[in-house]
Amino acid sequence: EAGVAQSPRYKIIEKRQSVAFWCNPISGHATLYWYQQILGQGPKLLIQFQNNGVVDDSQLPKDRFSAERLKGVDSTLKIQPAKLEDSAVYLCASSSPGTSPYEQYFGPGTRLTVT
Amino acid sequence: SQKIEQNSEALNIQEGKTATLTCNYTNYSPAYLQWYRQDPGRGPVFLLLIRENEKEKRKERLKVTFDTTLKQSLFHITASQPADSATYLCALDDNYGQNFVFGPGTRLSVLP
Repeated sequence: EAGVAQSPRYKIIEKRQSVAFWCNPISGHATLYWYQQILGQGPKLLIQFQNNGVVDDSQLPKDRFSAERLKGVDSTLKIQPAKLEDSAVYLCASSSPGTSPYEQYFGPGTRLTVT
Repeated sequence: SQKIEQNSEALNIQEGKTATLTCNYTNYSPAYLQWYRQDPGRGPVFLLLIRENEKEKRKERLKVTFDTTLKQSLFHITASQPADSATYLCALDDNYGQNFVFGPGTRLSVLP
């Protein structure tokens, strides 16, 4: 079974630029999560989708971050405009209640550096 | 305020000993608590999940306990090996599969 795919793996941008990250979850996984992990900290949930609907986006900075999962499969997370404090690894995860509920499978992450 | 803490930033132990990691939380009422392993440059990998009505869960050399009165989970690795060296994260859900919160992690080093 293929794992969670993310691209790009690395991205360097200047502040005030925009950036987008892509995630393809494990086939059949209805739930998709985006996390932000700052160096030395645990992952912080940004948004959780169930199919193509948003379950939780309470910690998403909506003035600059947006995410979509239009067909209930892959997802895009966008930052516009980026700030220095957005430098972090952005992790995508997926899960399926049909297997072990709430067991999340993570992708390798996208390391973003904002200069 | 809500908080989730892990006992120490780093833990060094000798190979063959038992590693014990602690996860404490305040002002949460999780239905589940999970433990993940994260290696440098990689995403977390799920290890174990324990429910609020379970006291203990085991998987091979791993054991997790969950005390909802103390608001604490303990994660044990017995007969530790250098390959167990990694960062271990605890995570809880605050709303039955929603509002997942991760602790800051404990970096475990098993010395040969």
